[in-house]
Amino acid sequence: QKEVEQDPGPLSVPEGAIVSLNCTYSNSAFQYFMWYRQYSRKGPELLMYTYSSGNKEDGRFTAQVDKSSKYISLFIRDSQPSDSATYLCAMSPSMIQNALIFGKGTTLSVSS
Amino acid sequence: DGGITQSPKYLFRKEGQNVTLSCEQNLNHDAMYWYRQDPGQGLRLIYYSQIVNDFQKGDIAEGYSVSREKKESFPLTVTSAQKNPTAFYLCASSIMSGVSNYGYTFGSGTRLTVV
Repeated sequence: QKEVEQDPGPLSVPEGAIVSLNCTYSNSAFQYFMWYRQYSRKGPELLMYTYSSGNKEDGRFTAQVDKSSKYISLFIRDSQPSDSATYLCAMSPSMIQNALIFGKGTTLSVSS
Repeated sequence: DGGITQSPKYLFRKEGQNVTLSCEQNLNHDAMYWYRQDPGQGLRLIYYSQIVNDFQKGDIAEGYSVSREKKESFPLTVTSAQKNPTAFYLCASSIMSGVSNYGYTFGSGTRLTVV
């Protein structure tokens, strides 16, 4: 079983839809959870950052962590064509900096 | 503006040739990383360095080499021993902290193609 599993998609939705992106993981030591957005031929950029369990909201984006289920989600409300990108989840086990472990990314396409 | 600069943006390598990818950051970050990204494979860690003059192998270090002589710079050499080097290479940096993990800042990447 891979440490981090992420459905690669592609996921296609109409403008204005609510999008749900998910990752599952196997290592119960993971404490830090992140979502990165990567546009085509660009480097990933940090979108959301969550420590331990719970929700975090930033504008149209909400990140959820359920450590009991080893499951994290990113919700995008009122999706826009500019949200079309690849979304990568990433996680790390401890307070001391360790190399992040990334999911393979989900490609999202939002049509106008 | 602070950030990470990768150069060149596109690089072509002939068979049997070594090439070096540049990565420079002015964020005063302690740690730096090199990832390789292939379609459907996600990001795979090649090497990382948490302090000057020290670095560790990642999951796919074979055929690659790095150096960390300055805090700001972490160049990656793709050697002729790397049999399938065509990929998108990403450099990243982060703060080293015993309190929190702040995530990475990525460069814009170098696309390497074997010709």
